[in-house]
Amino acid sequence: DAKTTQPTSMDCAEGRAANLPCNHSTISGNEYVYWYRQIHSQGPQYIIHGLKNNETNEMASLIITEDRKSSTLILPHATLRDTAVYYCIVRATSGSARQLTFGSGTQLTVLP
Amino acid sequence: NAGVTQTPKFQVLKTGQSMTLQCAQDMNHNSMYWYRQDPGMGLRLIYYSASEGTTDKGEVPNGYNVSRLNKREFSLRLESAAPSQTSVYFCASLIPPRNTGELFFGEGSRLTVL
Repeated sequence: DAKTTQPTSMDCAEGRAANLPCNHSTISGNEYVYWYRQIHSQGPQYIIHGLKNNETNEMASLIITEDRKSSTLILPHATLRDTAVYYCIVRATSGSARQLTFGSGTQLTVLP
Repeated sequence: NAGVTQTPKFQVLKTGQSMTLQCAQDMNHNSMYWYRQDPGMGLRLIYYSASEGTTDKGEVPNGYNVSRLNKREFSLRLESAAPSQTSVYFCASLIPPRNTGELFFGEGSRLTVL
């Protein structure tokens, strides 16, 4: 699976949009982009995933560039409860189970 | 409630002691995973199991053994615990790709080795 690069940390004002970038320049055609977050020391929680089209759900939006080498997770109206470590991973969903690796992620701090 | 259940949630061991972390999922998923997370670090894959009866090494398998006796349960064993194995251990199961293909995590088992 392709590697990802994320900033170590970001701050965002409460009520504003949080835009978290992720670079995945070696992504393959059959690999999806997945985003998870980990609040404090809880187990990571799935947020959203996409292949090449932009995606939106009740938690966030995912914008994937046309060349698929990077993506941005958008939390439209960040709240204090969105303070967490956000992980971007890329992987193929077809075939048998693959090794899934998480990097260090981005620590998002939402400021009051 | 459906999900991934890990036991115990907390454990303190002395160096050299052995123990098994248990993980069970009731979602009928084929693939299961064990990760460790050291303070301030990301998750690192220890072992995974693509299906019942099969297991494979991840990034950091040394010092651990796993067992996938049935579809529901995936256990992680420390034969001779070392202080370097102090960590939070997360078990996860994989929702099938034909659905969302996401990982579903347990709440973690916090292990301290003295």
